Amino acid sequence: AQSVTQLDSQVPVFEEAPVELRCNYSSSVSVYLFWYVQYPNQGLQLLLKYLSGSTLVESINGFEAEFNKSQTSFHLRKPSVHISDTAEYFCAVRGQGADGLTFGKGTHLIIQP
Amino acid sequence: GAGVSQSPSNKVTEKGKDVELRCDPISGHTALYWYRQSLGQGLEFLIYFQGNSAPDKSGLPSDRFSAERTGGSVSTLTIQRTQQEDSAVYLCASSFRDRDTGELFFGEGSRLTVL
Repeated sequence: AQSVTQLDSQVPVFEEAPVELRCNYSSSVSVYLFWYVQYPNQGLQLLLKYLSGSTLVESINGFEAEFNKSQTSFHLRKPSVHISDTAEYFCAVRGQGADGLTFGKGTHLIIQP
Repeated sequence: GAGVSQSPSNKVTEKGKDVELRCDPISGHTALYWYRQSLGQGLEFLIYFQGNSAPDKSGLPSDRFSAERTGGSVSTLTIQRTQQEDSAVYLCASSFRDRDTGELFFGEGSRLTVL
């Protein structure tokens, strides 16, 4: 079984400042890792994913995440946030060979002007 | 449309009534999932369908909850004798089972309010 911990339920940050949303996971098998984003009144959308290869993965809108196996982490970062990044961010894990995703409780990113 | 479609988008019901929530997955997706999203609780897995296999019902919170998937496509989540704690957004997702990416495609959800 897998589990995901997102320690911060809310992260307020000023516009154009950098941000890091933390995600730690536990699993007895190798994993695939995901970040999903949920904008207000919308469904979840995939932001980025780690399956294999390079441990640093990027999204088209400037977010990146790094898989750190030794620390069992997959933190999400952006060097400069925009008002439009205001959303709920969910980290998720899937064990290799397993079905479905296990989600964290989410982090609400609040961008302050 | 090409995405996962859920209906109704909003449902208000009285305690004790039964409700049905519908999910129409992306055409060709063999896997279908139901999750429940409650304030402060994140996404809670409810049930998973894969092709013609028996569904994984391990996440259903009580026997008042049930789900069907007809013809390997549309799914209905039924909540009997609704309680106030059932109020939540119910999310449906679908995926290709045989493509090992794990990406789920979500609908916009059905918001259930039990008065």
